[in-house]
Formats: sequence, C-alpha cells, structure tokens
Amino acid sequence: KQEVTQIPAALSVPEGENLVLNCSFTDSAIYNLQWFRQDPGKGLTSLLLIQSSQREQTSGRLNASLDKSSGRSTLYIAASQPGDSATYLCAVPYNTDKLIFGTGTRLQVFP
Amino acid sequence: DAGVIQSPRHEVTEMGQEVTLRCKPISGHNSLFWYRQTMMRGLELLIYFNNNVPIDDSGMPEDRFSAKMPNASFSTLKIQPSEPRDSAVYFCASSILGNEKLFFGSGTQLSVL
Repeated sequence: KQEVTQIPAALSVPEGENLVLNCSFTDSAIYNLQWFRQDPGKGLTSLLLIQSSQREQTSGRLNASLDKSSGRSTLYIAASQPGDSATYLCAVPYNTDKLIFGTGTRLQVFP
Repeated sequence: DAGVIQSPRHEVTEMGQEVTLRCKPISGHNSLFWYRQTMMRGLELLIYFNNNVPIDDSGMPEDRFSAKMPNASFSTLKIQPSEPRDSAVYFCASSILGNEKLFFGSGTQLSVL
C-alpha cells in the first residue's frame, strides 16, 4: 500500500527565505507526482506535476524535484513571500488513477 | 472555463437526514473524483469515475454513501442517513485523464448535528 509522508508538518519563516518542503512515498513504482497548494477554506490548486521520466519541474519561484529510487520529492520555494502562506500537499498515483495525498506542510511566511 | 463547480458551498443538517452534494466537472474532462477532508484523516479518496463509470469505490466508508454520474457534466454524492461523524469538507475534482493534472472544486463544508 502506498503511504505518503510530508515533513515538516508546519513551518513559519520570515519573508525572503528560501524553503524546502519534503515528501516521501513508500512505493517507488509511480509514474508522476503532483504538488498542490491549499488556502484556508478553499480547494486544492495543482502547482507542479513531475512525470517519472523527469527529475524536476519549475514554475516561477517554485522548483520540484523527484527521486523515484529513494522515494522522495522536494518542493523548493525561492525568496518566500507572505502570499506563499498556505498548506502544501504532495500526491502520487496508486493503482493507476487513485491519487494518494500526504498530510501536508502548513507554511506561514511573515513580513 | 469556470472550473469544477460544487454545490452547496455549506450544508448544515441534522443527524438522520439525507444529504446530496453536487459536482459539475470541467468540460472535456473524463475522470471525476470525490474526496473527503478532515483534520484527523486528511484527504481521502471516496470514489472515482472514468467516462461516467465508477472505477473504484473502495474508499466509500459505508453503504450510507452512494455516488452517481448520470452524464459527463454532473455527479452527485449522497449520504443517507447522515451522521455527525460524516462532518467534513467534501471535494470534487476532475482531470482529462485519471493520471494527469487534477483540478479541484471549492468543496462543500458539511456539518451534521
């Protein structure tokens, strides 16, 4: 059974810092991994999708890497801003189409 | 496109009542997912459909839960009878293919008193 773990569970940092959020999964036989953002009281927004053939994906200040062999992915946020405050979740497919989500990292960036 | 549309946004009901949650996926998307989110258990997949056909409902907690997708543009999740432990945020999501980028609705906040 696929299990997804995210560390840390919560993070509070001053504006401008570079951040690394971690995601671990137990079954490395995945074909992609997604990172999502969730604002309080809102749905999830897909940030980045990395295919298993890729090692990383970039979107603006966000960079996600994937190491299938070690069962890990990281989300790097450069020059963090208060607007980045949200919960970040990673998710991997299981049994083809089922997405299994991690428990998330709650990020707060203060001015 | 307006994105995935869910209704109602909030639902407050009494234990024992029937609850129906609605979802309109993004036009052209072939896969639809129902998730439940709680503080204790995080995001749980309840059921998903491909081309209107239920593929996996192993996440549906009990027979009190049922889901339908009568056509490509509409799905319902029904709870009957509802119980206080069903209180959660229920999300609907859709994608072009089941293993591609997933788009979520804003969710339905359900409170069963």
